[in-house]
Amino acid sequence: GAVVSQHPSRVICKSGTSVKIECRSLDFQATTMFWYRQFPKQSLMLMATSNEGSKATYEQGVEKDKFLINHASLTLSTLTVTSAHPEDSSFYICSAWGVETQYFGPGTRLLVL
Amino acid sequence: KQEVTQIPAALSVPEGENLVLNCSFTDSAIYNLQWFRQDPGKGLTSLLLIQSSQREQTSGRLNASLDKSSGRSTLYIAASQPGDSATYLCAVRAGSARQLTFGSGTQLTVLP
Repeated sequence: GAVVSQHPSRVICKSGTSVKIECRSLDFQATTMFWYRQFPKQSLMLMATSNEGSKATYEQGVEKDKFLINHASLTLSTLTVTSAHPEDSSFYICSAWGVETQYFGPGTRLLVL
Repeated sequence: KQEVTQIPAALSVPEGENLVLNCSFTDSAIYNLQWFRQDPGKGLTSLLLIQSSQREQTSGRLNASLDKSSGRSTLYIAASQPGDSATYLCAVRAGSARQLTFGSGTQLTVLP
């Protein structure tokens, strides 16, 4: 139980385009989901906390207009990277709050050319 | 602000050795501490979760200890195997907040 999926697993896009990443809790409902970013050989950095039906809470230094988060249902949160640039290339991981802990998705590798 | 540090950053051991990974945190007022495993290009797999009231947790060849007052946790891996090669991350949860603060990880390589 407590499986979280992400789609797509990897995406390559041109600079200036927008990319949407989906995070789904497959067998449980999650009122809270989290979005992380991870650079090579570095740890996870929390970008934002997403609560179902309300606006996401962004961490300091994360541009909310660039990283749009929508949590419209108890099983789905989406992260849209708007007007992506090469510096946005990274590994994005989501997690969903389950029973007293977060359950993590497999991650999405974004490469912006 | 909570800071989590993991030492060493990388560790290479021959198969069969017992090893210890270290995690330290600056604010001892934690709710729980969790150890995760991350394989290259993958998400996180939870290994052990220790509540603040607990001293240790065990799962198979893994044993995690917690000394909240000194801000330290260790992950002990017995009889290491090449399949244990991965990055190990510790994360702390503070109070009722659901956010986790992660350490920078220890990259473990077990040589056959």
